[in-house]
Amino acid sequence: DQQVKQNSPSLSVQEGRISILNCDYTNSMFDYFLWYKKYPAEGPTFLISISSIKDKNEDGRFTVFLNKSAKHLSLHIVPSQPGDSAVYFCAASARRDDKIIFGKGTRLHILP
Amino acid sequence: DAEITQSPRHKITETGRQVTLACHQTWNHNNMFWYRQDLGHGLRLIHYSYGVQDTNKGEVSDGYSVSRSNTEDLPLTLESAASSQTSVYFCASSVQMNTEAFFGQGTRLTVV
Repeated sequence: DQQVKQNSPSLSVQEGRISILNCDYTNSMFDYFLWYKKYPAEGPTFLISISSIKDKNEDGRFTVFLNKSAKHLSLHIVPSQPGDSAVYFCAASARRDDKIIFGKGTRLHILP
Repeated sequence: DAEITQSPRHKITETGRQVTLACHQTWNHNNMFWYRQDLGHGLRLIHYSYGVQDTNKGEVSDGYSVSRSNTEDLPLTLESAASSQTSVYFCASSVQMNTEAFFGQGTRLTVV
């Protein structure tokens, strides 16, 4: 039973445009959400996070939106750059324990 | 600088052998995690630990074990390696609940 779902295996976006990556979750106990970026042959690196008490968090070109009623979050990258081409993992955790559950990832291709 | 390191980076072993993957972090983090990454499955949690002498099973723990004798290390042992355990393994650590985890570079394990 997948608790964190990324239904788009891949996404292609023109350089300079907005990239929107989506994530859904099923566990209502999740209260902290994270996005990680992964390049080939490297470990995932933390990108941005959001607590369930917020509905938006922004860090430079990256913004995460959280819709708790829909159990949905999204990552917006504006403007998209070639270096953004990577696999993006959505992840979630619950305050009652610390384990972080990941989605399957979405491969983002930024087209020149 | 604090870091998290995994060794070896690459390993080939035979079916039935016992294999241990090392993970060492100098962040002084309480929480440590082991994940495996497979095509189509994303990152799946194998085992995790909240501190010394504490270990917990993740979603794909069968055939794996961990031990936590100090804060810095969480070795992952495959008791009897199987071809289904061919994967890329990532170790991670985090300071406390609801904070981001830092990942190692990964260990590519091939079981022949």
